[in-house]
Amino acid sequence: AQTVTQSQPEMSVQEAETVTLSCTYDTSENNYYLFWYKQPPSRQMILVIRQEAYKQQNATENRFSVNFQKAAKSFSLKISDSQLGDTAMYFCAFMKPNSGNTPLVFGKGTRLSVIA
Amino acid sequence: GAVVSQHPSWVICKSGTSVKIECRSLDFQATTMFWYRQFPKQSLMLMATSNEGSKATYEQGVEKDKFLINHASLTLSTLTVTSAHPEDSSFYICSARGQGGVLLDTQYFGPGTRLTVL
Repeated sequence: AQTVTQSQPEMSVQEAETVTLSCTYDTSENNYYLFWYKQPPSRQMILVIRQEAYKQQNATENRFSVNFQKAAKSFSLKISDSQLGDTAMYFCAFMKPNSGNTPLVFGKGTRLSVIA
Repeated sequence: GAVVSQHPSWVICKSGTSVKIECRSLDFQATTMFWYRQFPKQSLMLMATSNEGSKATYEQGVEKDKFLINHASLTLSTLTVTSAHPEDSSFYICSARGQGGVLLDTQYFGPGTRLTVL
């Protein structure tokens, strides 16, 4: 079974600074997807970034980028130029491709506070 | 694209009554929908998985007679909390996966429903 570990329950960062959220996972699969979801105070789960394991290039979405280290089974999220609106719970998640009914496997989340 | 809606966004009901929560995929067909429950400051807890036209598969410890799930079409799934009690008060979130490509390999989430049982 796959597991996802987020070792930082809470983090804080000053506005405009850069912060990195850690995520490690365990799987015997060779192909899979990794995700970062953001859950702001509204509690709407928002997809931040998606990485396909067979792609060596790290995914980026504007100020959000990942450092995907497949051999180390590490998938960290870097937020550049942090904004107050980035304050949220961030969940790392794993999915097997073409797995139909198999849901995402979530980590326990990291609560990020951006301080003015 | 890939928008999931939920209705209602919040509901208050009396103990013993039933509450229905609707989850709709607005711009794609969802072959699989998932229902989660989330307690404050915790991760999402999967309750059940449903496929259109099939019976839902419930996670261990989830009472299927209390949490009725119907996935009647490729765009609609409903969760009915029957004979609700205060301990059922929680935040319920639905999620959907589409039929192919990125839609198949990504879960999209509804905005959630806050249920309060008095």
